[in-house]
Amino acid sequence: SAVISQKPSRDICQRGTSLTIQCQVDSQVTMMFWYRQQPGQSLTLIATANQGSEATYESGFVIDKFPISRPNLTFSTLTVSNMSPEDSSIYLCSVSTVDEQYFGPGTRLTVT
Amino acid sequence: GNSVTQMEGPVTLSEEAFLTINCTYTATGYPSLFWYVQYPGEGLQLLLKATKADDKGSNKGFEATYRKETTSFHLEKGSVQVSDSAVYFCALSDLAAGNKLTFGGGTRVLVKP
Repeated sequence: SAVISQKPSRDICQRGTSLTIQCQVDSQVTMMFWYRQQPGQSLTLIATANQGSEATYESGFVIDKFPISRPNLTFSTLTVSNMSPEDSSIYLCSVSTVDEQYFGPGTRLTVT
Repeated sequence: GNSVTQMEGPVTLSEEAFLTINCTYTATGYPSLFWYVQYPGEGLQLLLKATKADDKGSNKGFEATYRKETTSFHLEKGSVQVSDSAVYFCALSDLAAGNKLTFGGGTRVLVKP
């Protein structure tokens, strides 16, 4: 199993600013994922972050807007840059193990 | 590409009623199938899973059977409780796609006493 923590749990930010979300896992994992859940919507994969390589972004998401770091096998950050109200969402970190995929509690972001 | 379609909610039921949430999928490979649950104010939790055709996943009274012939993974529970009120997500992961999860749109279930 894997226990995931995220910081911050929530934040209210002004448009045009940036927020970095941290994801910490209690064990070493190769594959980490970042998802976005817009209000009342399902989860959409932003990118896959594997240690030692550049993150792979899904269609509609770009590195300039959502830069990701993966410095080691237990930690990753996602930055939401130059925020607009449309970025108001829950951002979730996830890790994949042999048996299943685990999710962090999420970071609830509100952009005003 | 891969996709998951599940019935739209909200679904409103009385306690002890039978619950079915339909889920169908499209995948190019041989996916694993999952049901995740999100209780109010909480994070996403794995409810059950099935990794190959005809497998049945079960947990907390919920069941779902991997039907390859109909590309379906419908979720069922025989007698729901108020505590089952949540949003349920059907999802698939495909090894060929790097084990990324593809989610359905989610179904909100409200169980009334």
